[in-house]
Amino acid sequence: NAGVTQTPKFQVLKTGQSMTLQCAQDMNHEYMSWYRQDPGMGLRLIHYSVGAGITDQGEVPNGYNVSRSTTEDFPLRLLSAAPSQTSVYFCASKSLKTGGYEQYFGPGTRLTVT
Amino acid sequence: DAKTTQPPSMDCAEGRAANLPCNHSTISGNEYVYWYRQIHSQGPQYIIHGLKNNETNEMASLIITEDRKSSTLILPHATLRDTAVYYCIVRITTSGTYKYIFGTGTRLKVLA
Repeated sequence: NAGVTQTPKFQVLKTGQSMTLQCAQDMNHEYMSWYRQDPGMGLRLIHYSVGAGITDQGEVPNGYNVSRSTTEDFPLRLLSAAPSQTSVYFCASKSLKTGGYEQYFGPGTRLTVT
Repeated sequence: DAKTTQPPSMDCAEGRAANLPCNHSTISGNEYVYWYRQIHSQGPQYIIHGLKNNETNEMASLIITEDRKSSTLILPHATLRDTAVYYCIVRITTSGTYKYIFGTGTRLKVLA
């Protein structure tokens, strides 16, 4: 298993540009989520999903869109990038079956908005 | 939503037990406490979780107070590789779905 993969690893955007951060998992996990991590802020939940076609907002959803058309993929879209969205983005997945308690995190995408 | 409070940093001598505290005074009855750690800039790694009973696994022990307002993660014999940021997290269940709310974490430095 590759686990949770994220692309790209690094990205630089200009203010106002849009882009999609990709996240994929090959563990057939129902639950997937996106976090951002800023210095001194810990991880903050952006959006999450409990299955294909179902998404919900986390703590800091503004400026981000998500969709979940398949179990494997959970892309995060920045509609109009702002410098405040400079951060490290982590995707995670988790089984919702009995005994599935661990979230598996990807390696992160480091985004800079200038 | 329940939030967690952790000390920003702690030191521990190699080979000694590291005790990392966490306050979650607004936790509700069905909200689990999870602990993760993050080494350098990697993705966080699961350590342990619990609801109200003390838990132990091969990595650590989790002690939850009877009123569930605080907990302590114990690394019984800390090594240099345990140097990391440790996050205490509350898992909130709403309408059958989960949200994981991270705190700001404790930066643990294990000293040789």
